[in-house]
Amino acid sequence: DAKTTQPNSMESNEEEPVHLPCNHSTISGTDYIHWYRQLPSQGPEYVIHGLTSNVNNRMASLAIAEDRKSSTLILHRATLRDAAVYYCILLPGANNLFFGTGTRLTVIP
Amino acid sequence: DAGITQSPRHKVTETGTPVTLRCHQTENHRYMYWYRQDPGHGLRLIHYSYGVKDTDKGEVSDGYSVSRSKTEDFLLTLESATSSQTSVYFCAISGRDLTTGELFFGEGSRLTVL
Repeated sequence: DAKTTQPNSMESNEEEPVHLPCNHSTISGTDYIHWYRQLPSQGPEYVIHGLTSNVNNRMASLAIAEDRKSSTLILHRATLRDAAVYYCILLPGANNLFFGTGTRLTVIP
Repeated sequence: DAGITQSPRHKVTETGTPVTLRCHQTENHRYMYWYRQDPGHGLRLIHYSYGVKDTDKGEVSDGYSVSRSKTEDFLLTLESATSSQTSVYFCAISGRDLTTGELFFGEGSRLTVL
């Protein structure tokens, strides 16, 4: 399975943008890049996904490097409710999501 | 919110006893998954189903079996629970292949095996 590398933790001030990086140097041409987040005591929830082009939705933006070996999840204005563990996941085409340990985001009031 | 219900939400049992966790969905989604989450390991796939009576193993399937006799229910069974199976178990569903779709997770079932 293609793997991802994320920092263990990051901090951000409230109402400032947050850039969460993810490295996936072994990504294949058909792998989609997905992001999920897990709030305390809850199951993970979908944030965004993309293949090659940058993507935007109501929750976040996803910036994908031109060589696709890295990507960045962008939260435009962090709120306290964004404090969570963020997972960057690659889909190799099979019905299996490999979740690593993710990045724990702390939002400082 | 996707209609996913896990039961029981909390269970304490003893080593060697059988345990069944139930995942019930009201979305009529085709795909259903069981994950376990342990500190330092993130989420790991146990088993998944791509239709009624169609199931397959994930990366940590040893000691677990599953059944799906109808679209809405996916059961995870520990035939003889061990302390290493103490974990939080999450059920997830998806209406499409995961390359383009998304997973919806339940709230989790915390299992403690003494």
